[in-house]
Amino acid sequence: KNEVEQSPQNLTAQEGEFITINCSYSVGISALHWLQQHPGGGIVSLFMLSSGKKKHGRLIATINIQEKHSSLHITASHPRDSAVYICAVRLGTSGSRLTFGEGTQLTVNP
Amino acid sequence: DAGITQSPRHKVTETGTPVTLRCHQTENHRYMYWYRQDPGHGLRLIHYSYGVKDTDKGEVSDGYSVSRSKTEDFLLTLESATSSQTSVYFCAISSPQGAHETQYFGPGTRLLVL
Repeated sequence: KNEVEQSPQNLTAQEGEFITINCSYSVGISALHWLQQHPGGGIVSLFMLSSGKKKHGRLIATINIQEKHSSLHITASHPRDSAVYICAVRLGTSGSRLTFGEGTQLTVNP
Repeated sequence: DAGITQSPRHKVTETGTPVTLRCHQTENHRYMYWYRQDPGHGLRLIHYSYGVKDTDKGEVSDGYSVSRSKTEDFLLTLESATSSQTSVYFCAISSPQGAHETQYFGPGTRLLVL
């Protein structure tokens, strides 16, 4: 079993829809990251969370440490949001190393 | 964007040949990482470095070696390439910042081993 599980694996939405991507992890962590990978491959960091909620534009990330769960929400989705969204955790004992989920492929249709 | 480049960006090679991938950074970050990305798997750590001449194995290190003789360069060598090493390879960098540490990724190298 992966230490980091994402759901769904694939998600197709219509432009304007509210989107939620989930990430669950099984061990203690010191931080959780959400990353975005566009077609063409570049990976960028969206959020880093250790508690609570963060918002950047139409993106909102939340984390519940007790339930070992995080969600990434996209409001008013747009075709340019189409990408792979990756959850990664820094385990409590791994120093700077990250453990990654398999990613969620999001496609937003016009 | 963090100043990270990878070379080559694409490579086709034959089984049994050695291959070296280069990661170069201009950010003076202390930590550097090599990952591979394959369908059905998340990014998996091959090797990492916490400083010059200070490297360690990740979860999928068999068949790979690394060297870091300068802060800015981290080399990944496939000693004798196999078809199972066909993948996309990403370099990443970070600096120790405790809970605020973020990794920055290079553009990736697509490697095809025939």
